[in-house]
Amino acid sequence: DAKTTQPNSMESNEEEPVHLPCNHSTISGTDYIHWYRQLPSQGPEYVIHGLTSNVNNRMASLAIAEDRKSSTLILHRATLRDAAVYYCSPVRNNDMRFGAGTRLTVKP
Amino acid sequence: DAMVIQNPRYQVTQFGKPVTLSCSQTLNHNVMYWYQQKSSQAPKLLFHYYDKDFNNEADTPDNFQSRRPNTSFCFLDIRSPGLGDAAMYLCATSTRRLSPGYTFGSGTRLTVV
Repeated sequence: DAKTTQPNSMESNEEEPVHLPCNHSTISGTDYIHWYRQLPSQGPEYVIHGLTSNVNNRMASLAIAEDRKSSTLILHRATLRDAAVYYCSPVRNNDMRFGAGTRLTVKP
Repeated sequence: DAMVIQNPRYQVTQFGKPVTLSCSQTLNHNVMYWYQQKSSQAPKLLFHYYDKDFNNEADTPDNFQSRRPNTSFCFLDIRSPGLGDAAMYLCATSTRRLSPGYTFGSGTRLTVV
């Protein structure tokens, strides 16, 4: 299984962009890169996923390195509601395993 | 709204007394998963169903079993709960194509007394 490395925690100011990095150096060629976030006392919530190209949706952008060994989740304007634990995971054959994640704190 | 529903939200069970947690989905997704999440830890995959095919993680204790009687429902049975099994149990669904990703329920918090 591909392993992931993420910072334990990050801080951001409200309305500023946030770049959350993830290292997945053992990813295989067919693994999709998924990002989820989990607010306190809730189940994880899908944020975005991609394979090779950068991806955008209403929640965030995903920048994938050319060698696919790392990716960055970009929140363009952080809000207080974005405070959560963010998980990245390479997914193969419908198997997703979570790494330790990054706890994002957003300061007003 | 289509969603993944877990019942109950909170469950208290006695040490050693069998307990069943349930999950239902209205998304008609092929794949259903059970994760265990202990305090301050990431969710850990226990097993998943790919349609009716059961896939067990190698390190999932035998104490944990699962049933999927139809597409919509999936159950987690803990045959003899121990204090170490106290956790949040999360159900999730996905399609084969993984688009638009996994959908999680709100979880069942299990307390063992």
